[in-house]
Amino acid sequence: AQSVAQPEDQVNVAEGNPLTVKCTYSVSGNPYLFWYVQYPNRGLQFLLKYITGDNLVKGSYGFEAEFNKSQTSFHLKKPSALVSDSALYFCAVTLNNAGNMLTFGGGTRLMVKP
Amino acid sequence: NAGVTQTPKFQVLKTGQSMTLQCAQDMNHNSMYWYRQDPGMGLRLIYYSASEGTTDKGEVPNGYNVSRLNKREFSLRLESAAPSQTSVYFCASMWETGANNSPLHFGNGTRLTVT
Repeated sequence: AQSVAQPEDQVNVAEGNPLTVKCTYSVSGNPYLFWYVQYPNRGLQFLLKYITGDNLVKGSYGFEAEFNKSQTSFHLKKPSALVSDSALYFCAVTLNNAGNMLTFGGGTRLMVKP
Repeated sequence: NAGVTQTPKFQVLKTGQSMTLQCAQDMNHNSMYWYRQDPGMGLRLIYYSASEGTTDKGEVPNGYNVSRLNKREFSLRLESAAPSQTSVYFCASMWETGANNSPLHFGNGTRLTVT
C-alpha cells in the first residue's frame, strides 16, 4: 500500500524568508509525486509534479520541489515567502499517474507573517 | 471556462435525509472523482468514473452512490445521511490515466453538515 506523510501540521515563516514544507512517501515502484495548494473555501489547485527526469521540479508561483529517491522525500520549497502563500498544502503520490490511485497526505498549513 | 462546478456550496441535513451533490466539468475530461476532506486526513476517494458509463468504488464508498450522467456530469448521492458524513466534498476531473495526464482539477467543494 502507498502512503504519504506530511510531518508538520503547520509551518510558520516570516515574509521574505525561505520556506520548506516536508513530504515523505512510501510506494512500491517509481512514484508520480504532486503538490497541491488549497486556499480558504476553494478546491485544491495543482502546483507541480514529478514524473521522471530532473530531481528539481519547478512549478507555479515560484515554488519548487526536490525529489530524493534515497530519502523517499519530495519537499516543497520557495526561496522567498509571500504573505499570499499562506494556505493549506497537500502532497500526493501515485504509481501510475491514475487519479483513482492518488494518495494524499494530511496537509500542512503554511502561515507567512509580514 | 468555468472548470469544475459543484452545487450546492453548503448543505445541512438531518440524520436519515437524502441529497444529491451535483458536479459538472467543461474541460472535456474523461475521468471524474468524488473526494471527501476531513481535518488531518487529507482527501479520501469515495467513487470515481474513469469514463462515461463506468463507475468504481474508491477508498470510502459506504453510504454513497454515484451516477455518471454524461461526460460532463457526475453526481454523488447520500441515501440516508449520517453524522459521520459531515465533511467537505470535492469533485475533480482529469484526462484518462497515462503518463501525460493532466493533473486533477477540483471544484470549490460542498460543505455538508449532518445533525
